Amino acid sequence: DGGITQSPKYLFRKEGQNVTLSCEQNLNHDAMYWYRQDPGQGLRLIYYSQIVNDFQKGDIAEGYSVSREKKESFPLTVTSAQKNPTAFYLCATTDSSNQPQHFGDGTRLSIL
Amino acid sequence: DAKTTQPNSMESNEEEPVHLPCNHSTISGTDYIHWYRQLPSQGPEYVIHGLTSNVNNRMASLAIAEDRKSSTLILHRATLRDAAVYYCILTAGGGADGLTFGKGTHLIIQP
Repeated sequence: DGGITQSPKYLFRKEGQNVTLSCEQNLNHDAMYWYRQDPGQGLRLIYYSQIVNDFQKGDIAEGYSVSREKKESFPLTVTSAQKNPTAFYLCATTDSSNQPQHFGDGTRLSIL
Repeated sequence: DAKTTQPNSMESNEEEPVHLPCNHSTISGTDYIHWYRQLPSQGPEYVIHGLTSNVNNRMASLAIAEDRKSSTLILHRATLRDAAVYYCILTAGGGADGLTFGKGTHLIIQP
């Protein structure tokens, strides 16, 4: 989706290292979401934010942190506390309830 | 969130219609039915959504059972580009708290 930019496309993390995944949107959407996808599985919700300076934990928030200082940006930090971080990470946005979520192209994180 | 049940995989021929079923027997009155699809190594793409009435758009049609306990996504004329994993999702509370994805249906299109 051209309106959501996730970077980098591929990321490698060393043991004990924190890494930050970027998600930027120009759709002027209020709500933003982070999902994790493991091979052969559906997406699972990590964190979400419905408004600037506010965010909530999703189903698998342990080992992750987020911030929402600007409407356009919702970075996700994978901390060293996340013991199994290898996955495909997807960012999404939506402008209101019951409207479609728009997804970025994802970041694939691997452990060195 | 109410749960959905989909077949693990389905196979169809190119240029033929495809009917992808979804069961959601515990759906509540305010749950919308959303369909997304995901191509390999890409983010999911919205396909269609509805509440009670059947819906049509340029990509597909959504047929919702009268009791809302099941629905069917209809691709009228499948192409090779429609090969993807299709997810049927119920949005409790409008989905503002995020979407709950199952494993979806892997649709295979034969040329």
